[in-house]
Amino acid sequence: ETGVTQSPTHLIKTRGQQVTLRCSSQSGHNTVSWYQQALGQGPQFIFQYYREEENGRGNFPPRFSGLQFPNYSSELNVNALELDDSALYLCASRPTQEGVTEAFFGQGTRLTVV
Amino acid sequence: GENVEQHPSTLSVQEGDSAVIKCTYSDSASNYFPWYKQELGKRPQLIIDIRSNVGEKKDQRIAVTLNKTAKHFSLHITETQPEDSAVYFCAASKGSNYQLIWGAGTKLIIKP
Repeated sequence: ETGVTQSPTHLIKTRGQQVTLRCSSQSGHNTVSWYQQALGQGPQFIFQYYREEENGRGNFPPRFSGLQFPNYSSELNVNALELDDSALYLCASRPTQEGVTEAFFGQGTRLTVV
Repeated sequence: GENVEQHPSTLSVQEGDSAVIKCTYSDSASNYFPWYKQELGKRPQLIIDIRSNVGEKKDQRIAVTLNKTAKHFSLHITETQPEDSAVYFCAASKGSNYQLIWGAGTKLIIKP
């Protein structure tokens, strides 16, 4: 166990709808990243938050947005869902200590858009 | 931006033999290179990582080598066992943000 939990584990949405995925990190992990992993592919970096501010973004459109809260939880919001958004969404958190680089992953949320 | 290529996409080896997976990266500023193992339906798990100031790192049956000049790094698994069967991903990041750019993955199959 990594101490990082995601909810829900599975979700089915209709094209055009909006979805919110949640991630709860370990206490003290104030850096959280979100990744999208399509079936049979490697994870793609969506964005990263540090102390409640976005400090890095991958090649994803603005309809992918996020929030990070003081209690080490975070959200990924996706608006206007498209069929290609179907994927496993992973969050990963890291502790604040200088030089610690390992990212601890949650179990993921499997999103299916129909 | 950074691009990470991983080969092969599928690797089948006899139990007890060694397996080698290779990755190349494009951004010479990348300085952190982790390897993850992902079993079907599960989260990626870090198995070994290396920083750019080190050329090789070993942990029991697993080792990683880094060639900064050629911009490639490799995962070596010796004495493979059935439980090593999984998809392995390499990744690279740079700076202090550690935003990981991933390879496409290698499906490792251990034949009994």
